[in-house]
Amino acid sequence: DIQMTQSPSSLSASVGDRVTLTCRASRGISNSLAWLQQRPGKAPKSLIYAASTLQSGVPSRFSGSGSGTDFTLTISSLQPEDFATYYCQQYNSYPRTFGQGTKVEIK
Amino acid sequence: EVQLVESGGGLVQPGGSLRLSCAASGFSFSSYWMSWVRQAPGKGLEWVATIKQDGNEKYYVDSMKGRFTISRDNAKNSLYLQMNSLRVEDTAVYYCARDGRSVVTPSCWGQGTLVTVSS
Repeated sequence: DIQMTQSPSSLSASVGDRVTLTCRASRGISNSLAWLQQRPGKAPKSLIYAASTLQSGVPSRFSGSGSGTDFTLTISSLQPEDFATYYCQQYNSYPRTFGQGTKVEIK
Repeated sequence: EVQLVESGGGLVQPGGSLRLSCAASGFSFSSYWMSWVRQAPGKGLEWVATIKQDGNEKYYVDSMKGRFTISRDNAKNSLYLQMNSLRVEDTAVYYCARDGRSVVTPSCWGQGTLVTVSS
């Protein structure tokens, strides 16, 4: 199975900050990487697929990059509604696997 | 508007069975891969199973293979998860997710249904 490792596990940031989250795959997955957001008590929301393609309706302050084993999610200017937990997921092979999540908290 | 509405969760004893349903609307259900993903209380997301548009390809996480069965009824725009031999560690919120037509990763999610396995 492909292991997905996210860092950091949590971070504190302020509204307006630029934030970068990292996801690393245990072996190459090309660009078969998705990012999801989950607010407390809510269902996940898909943000990005194919490492860098925004899902419909996702604000442009979110961007993704990477290929192979190393990926990043960047939020260019953190908004109050962005405080949540973010997960990466590889879909290069089965079983699909998620990272353990990065919790973005208010400083 | 795309809607995915799960039902069928509840309290079940260890060793018991449960069938989850997901009613889909607002899109051409038969054109999309579909998946189940679960989340244990206070834990991260765990992929459970995925099924192709015509139901002829199914994939499962190893720990659930043989106990869980994913299926779909395109005529009823519905996705199902039959869960047998349930264990305490299967306690989780189960989410129905719409994948893509060819990109097999979730793009839309239901609100989830809670399954509690306890004696």
